[in-house]
Amino acid sequence: DQQVKQNSPSLSVQEGRISILNCDYTNSMFDYFLWYKKYPAEGPTFLISISSIKDKNEDGRFTVFLNKSAKHLSLHIVPSQPGDSAVYFCAASGLNFGNEKLTFGTGTRLTIIP
Amino acid sequence: GAGVSQSPSNKVTEKGKDVELRCDPISGHTALYWYRQSLGQGLEFLIYFQGNSAPDKSGLPSDRFSAERTGGSVSTLTIQRTQQEDSAVYLCASSPDSSGANVLTFGAGSRLTVL
Repeated sequence: DQQVKQNSPSLSVQEGRISILNCDYTNSMFDYFLWYKKYPAEGPTFLISISSIKDKNEDGRFTVFLNKSAKHLSLHIVPSQPGDSAVYFCAASGLNFGNEKLTFGTGTRLTIIP
Repeated sequence: GAGVSQSPSNKVTEKGKDVELRCDPISGHTALYWYRQSLGQGLEFLIYFQGNSAPDKSGLPSDRFSAERTGGSVSTLTIQRTQQEDSAVYLCASSPDSSGANVLTFGAGSRLTVL
């Protein structure tokens, strides 16, 4: 049972445009969400997170939006740059019930076209 | 160390052999996690350590898989009698503790290929 879903395996975006990566979750007990970025042959690196008490968190070119009623979050990258080409993983955890581990989606491969 | 260190980076083994994968977490991080990523799949949770104890082993696929952590630092993931379906990248991560906002720092992974 996939509790965190990334339904788009890949996405191509022109350099300078906005990249929007989507993530859906099924477990209503999740209350903390993260995005990780992964380059080939490297481990995932933390990008940005959001707590369920917020609906938006922004860090430079990266913004994460959370829609709790729809159990949906998205990552916006604007403007997109060639170095943003990577696999992006959405992850979730549930602090309120002591779930320390992160549950990851299957990832979306983002390709920025110069 | 400055980051999470894993060894070996690549391991090719024959079906039926045992393998050991090592993780050296960031110094002072009390929580340590093992995940694996099979081809085309997401990151699958295996086991989590808080100090030397493992409160959550729920992700270990079978009794061929075991892990230990000693001295609250280095961890070893052991796979006995490897099977082809064990082929994956095994990722280790650590965090300062297991409470609060949980940002894990990952190592580069150990790529295991079982022939």
